[in-house]
Amino acid sequence: AQSVTQLDSHVSVSEGTPVLLRCNYSSSYSPSLFWYVQHPNKGLQLLLKYTSAATLVKGINGFEAEFKKSETSFHLTKPSAHMSDAAEYFCVVSRYNFNKFYFGSGTKLNVKP
Amino acid sequence: KAGVTQTPRYLIKTRGQQVTLSCSPISGHRSVSWYQQTPGQGLQFLFEYFSETQRNKGNFPGRFSGRQFSNSRSEMNVSTLELGDSALYLCASSENRDLGYEQYFGPGTRLTVT
Repeated sequence: AQSVTQLDSHVSVSEGTPVLLRCNYSSSYSPSLFWYVQHPNKGLQLLLKYTSAATLVKGINGFEAEFKKSETSFHLTKPSAHMSDAAEYFCVVSRYNFNKFYFGSGTKLNVKP
Repeated sequence: KAGVTQTPRYLIKTRGQQVTLSCSPISGHRSVSWYQQTPGQGLQFLFEYFSETQRNKGNFPGRFSGRQFSNSRSEMNVSTLELGDSALYLCASSENRDLGYEQYFGPGTRLTVT
C-alpha cells in the first residue's frame, strides 16, 4: 500500500529565507513521487517529480527535492522564499506503472515580508 | 496545448438531486482521473479512466460514477446528493497510465449542496 505523511500542516518563513517542507512516504513498490502546489482557488500545478532516476530532483520556480530511500523521505526545499510562494503544497506518491495518486494532507506555506 | 478544462466551474444543487461534471483532458492524453477535495478529508481519489475503461476506483459509494468517451473527455455523476458531497472536484489527465506520468490538473468544479 502507498501513503504519504506531510509532517507540518503550516510553515511560516520570512521572504528571502530557506523553505523546507517535509514529506515521508510509505510504498510497497518502487514509488513515483511528486510535489504539487495549489494557489487559492486554483487547480494543482506540478512542481517536480521523482521516477527512479536522479535522487536530487529540480523543479520549477527554484524548488528541489531529494529522494532518500533509507529515510523514506522526499522533502521539498527552496533556498530563498518569495512572496509568490505562499500556497498549499502537496506531496504525492504513486506506484510506478500504476496511475493512482495518494496525496498528503498538505502544507500551507506562509511567507512574511 | 490547452490545459485541462472542467465545466461548470461552480454549481449549487439541492440535497437529493443529481449532478454531472465534465472534464476535457489535454489533447493526446488518454488517462483521466477524478479527485474530491474537502477541508476535512483532503484530496481523495475517486476513479481513473483510460481508453473508456475504468481502471482504478477509490473508496466512494456507488452514488459516484463516471465514464469516458472515445475522445477521452470524461464525465462524473453524483446521484442523490448529500450535504457532505460539497467539495471541489478536480479532474486530471495524463499521457500514459502505464508509466507513472505526472498528472495535469484542471481548475476544478466547486459543488455546493444545500
